[in-house]
Amino acid sequence: GAGVSQSPRYKVTKRGQDVALRCDPISGHVSLYWYRQALGQGPEFLTYFNYEAQQDKSGLPNDRFSAERPEGSISTLTIQRTEQRDSAMYRCASSPLDSRDNEQFFGPGTRLTVL
Amino acid sequence: AQSVSQHNHHVILSEAASLELGCNYSYGGTVNLFWYVQYPGQHLQLLLKYFSGDPLVKGIKGFEAEFIKSKFSFNLRKPSVQWSDTAEYFCAVNAPGRSGGYQKVTFGIGTKLQVIP
Repeated sequence: GAGVSQSPRYKVTKRGQDVALRCDPISGHVSLYWYRQALGQGPEFLTYFNYEAQQDKSGLPNDRFSAERPEGSISTLTIQRTEQRDSAMYRCASSPLDSRDNEQFFGPGTRLTVL
Repeated sequence: AQSVSQHNHHVILSEAASLELGCNYSYGGTVNLFWYVQYPGQHLQLLLKYFSGDPLVKGIKGFEAEFIKSKFSFNLRKPSVQWSDTAEYFCAVNAPGRSGGYQKVTFGIGTKLQVIP
């Protein structure tokens, strides 16, 4: 079946602009996760959802970052007033259950470049 | 908070050489441990995982990892690497979060493996 998809794959924006990154999880997956990966680093947890409820947003770096998953499927990560330090790969993942058996299935990522 | 250390950031091996990538984590309680792999141009994907039971875990493509609780380690091994194993490897751990679940996964910095034919 179809895997996790993310769009756009690449986004170049100017400092100060808002961006919205989209994640379409595997159909039926309960949990959805957002990560940020800077160059030369591992993925860093940002937030996650079970269905439409945001369970943990402790990884969001500041209030310019927000995420939603209004119907428990597609999720959007929004970054307002982007800064150059926001440049990174943004990864989305989903998992079928909210449980310890927490294999996460990753999408291709969105490469964000802020000029 | 938990953390993950990967000791080798860039490893170059010849085909048929043996591989061991180090991973240590810091968390005193029950953890789940993972190795993820990203092949060039592909998504991150699960290589193997440990939850409980036999500390020697076997994954795809001949990889295995051993959980040594006393050393807080989960090293990845493969007896004989192939050119197709060229990829970036990430160790990861999840531990109970605020809500009591295990959803917050912490990744290591990654190890880039290059296998020379």
